[in-house]
Amino acid sequence: GESVGLHLPTLSVQEGDNSIINCAYSNSASDYFIWYKQESGKGPQFIIDIRSNMDKRQGQRVTVLLNKTVKHLSLQIAATQPGDSAVYFCAENIGHTGKLIFGQGTTLQVKP
Amino acid sequence: DTEVTQTPKHLVMGMTNKKSLKCEQHMGHRAMYWYKQKAKKPPELMFVYSYEKLSINESVPSRFSPECPNSSLLNLHLHALQPEDSALYLCASSQEEGTDGYTFGSGTRLTVV
Repeated sequence: GESVGLHLPTLSVQEGDNSIINCAYSNSASDYFIWYKQESGKGPQFIIDIRSNMDKRQGQRVTVLLNKTVKHLSLQIAATQPGDSAVYFCAENIGHTGKLIFGQGTTLQVKP
Repeated sequence: DTEVTQTPKHLVMGMTNKKSLKCEQHMGHRAMYWYKQKAKKPPELMFVYSYEKLSINESVPSRFSPECPNSSLLNLHLHALQPEDSALYLCASSQEEGTDGYTFGSGTRLTVV
């Protein structure tokens, strides 16, 4: 069925280390993926996106990797900072349907 | 302007009340969305509007009634809600339905008493 999931509910990292948040999706028709950051009491904030015709995209301190063969998505955050502490969601858009489906979320905790 | 603005930020309503949530964007986006988010859960899609017409209704109960009066505004009318409807209601917009540029507002925290 249609589902987007994350491998770990909580990830704890040391300040300055790199973080990797993983996501598995099941719908082969998904052609667009977005990573969001959500802080307590706020709406989801766009981090980075990637289309299915790409396998890697880089932003400022963030990289998204897409492996269509195993339907896996990951978000890498370089030099993690305390301000990166939040819940991270991956979301998939299924073939221009307007349905953006969210995964369960991973809580990132950054230890000083 | 690159924001989606939602009002009010907080709302407490009784089960017999009628209230409305409002959403506004001035990015020229032609698709707008309502999502519901319970605590510690991901956002769940409720409605999709495309060019001011309802495109998707994810089997939402009729006590939630969406309205898109123009391309910049999206309302969600609430009537006879239940306590389990208490949640964060999020509005989003994108260039077109299913395309990039999904931008979310900060949400309305709704409590039904």
